[in-house]
Amino acid sequence: AQSVTQPDIHITVSEGASLELRCNYSYGATPYLFWYVQSPGQGLQLLLKYFSGDTLVQGIKGFEAEFKRSQSSFNLRKPSVHWSDAAEYFCAVGAQGGSEKLVFGKGTKLTVNP
Amino acid sequence: SAVISQKPSRDICQRGTSLTIQCQVDSQVTMMFWYRQQPGQSLTLIATANQGSEATYESGFVIDKFPISRPNLTFSTLTVSNMSPEDSSIYLCSVGDNYGYTFGSGTRLTVV
Repeated sequence: AQSVTQPDIHITVSEGASLELRCNYSYGATPYLFWYVQSPGQGLQLLLKYFSGDTLVQGIKGFEAEFKRSQSSFNLRKPSVHWSDAAEYFCAVGAQGGSEKLVFGKGTKLTVNP
Repeated sequence: SAVISQKPSRDICQRGTSLTIQCQVDSQVTMMFWYRQQPGQSLTLIATANQGSEATYESGFVIDKFPISRPNLTFSTLTVSNMSPEDSSIYLCSVGDNYGYTFGSGTRLTVV
């Protein structure tokens, strides 16, 4: 069964610093990988997704993620964090065509210090 | 990608009552997924709903508590039955297609 592990429950960074959020997945077939962000009291917003092709994917708000099949990882990065990036970040794995459920990690809460 | 209309967006309900949540999709989809997000937690799948068959429930969720209807390829309902304060959560429906997964805007349920 597929699963997603986000090892870091809470990360604190200073504004302007770089950010990397870790995500490891377990999936038997070709994974479809996603990163979502959720601000307090808000809905889920898709940051980026990986289906195939270039393993470095660009998303919204200056985020990028790199798919590494050998490490079963899909880490999210941003070179310079803004105070507005403070939120909960979820990594998720699904199937091609949405034919199977999307499984979420437990999330990483990002705090940004001024 | 699909567009989902979910309602109600929020509700406050008395314990012991039931609430039905509706999701309407603007295109035909084979499977719809229902999730629960408890306060401060991630999303957990409740069940997968296929048109014309009974929903498939995840471990820890039962049909008597969360009955699901899927009358056609564009519509589904989730009922939260005999509610208790522990059912206070956000409930979301979702569909998947070749573009990824789309989520409804969610139903924020508070049980008092």
